[in-house]
Amino acid sequence: DTEVTQTPKHLVMGMTNKKSLKCEQHMGHRAMYWYKQKAKKPPELMFVYSYEKLSINESVPSRFSPECPNSSLLNLHLHALQPEDSALYLCASSQDGGGVETQYFGPGTRLLVL
Amino acid sequence: GEDVEQSLFLSVREGDSSVINCTYTDSSSTYLYWYKQEPGAGLQLLTYIFSNMDMKQDQRLTVLLNKKDKHLSLRIADTQTGDSAIYFCAETPFTGGGNKLTFGTGTQLKVEL
Repeated sequence: DTEVTQTPKHLVMGMTNKKSLKCEQHMGHRAMYWYKQKAKKPPELMFVYSYEKLSINESVPSRFSPECPNSSLLNLHLHALQPEDSALYLCASSQDGGGVETQYFGPGTRLLVL
Repeated sequence: GEDVEQSLFLSVREGDSSVINCTYTDSSSTYLYWYKQEPGAGLQLLTYIFSNMDMKQDQRLTVLLNKKDKHLSLRIADTQTGDSAIYFCAETPFTGGGNKLTFGTGTQLKVEL
């Protein structure tokens, strides 16, 4: 099973709302990733967790707050977003993030901020 | 920083071969990947090649790597309409503590009947 699942598929939120994106994998992977992808552009790395600890934060604004409650789950908490944050948010996982590994991606959450 | 370049668009006829090219700049890259993204979907890993290899074949897919020129290509034999998608190459320089994928700009492949 090489499946990474993400919920919700679509999300519309106002700039004052608080919402969360969820990601789950059952491949026994210990590294999980959040990417942001704007239309017609490649994905851009936001955060990396390795063994439930944040190992990379690509200078992402604090209105995005990641959380890794256990090795199978990854959340992205959203608060006071801007319209330019509208994008496809992709989650990925890999073996343990300690070396060169293949990343497996979920289908993404398409976010629209009004 | 690393730059990974791809041509933006490729159009082929069904049944023909498609060749998608990628040029990267980071000589420390250890793995190079090809991902496929269909409209509104996530990224599907197609294949990957280790940097000490020149070629890798996987059914209809052939990956060629010219490390001297930092050039990677993906050849799709007998291209079908279901192959229409955006194709991203990506490289992974080993950084430790979670590897970072650097994606190319993406090539939109359109397959015509």
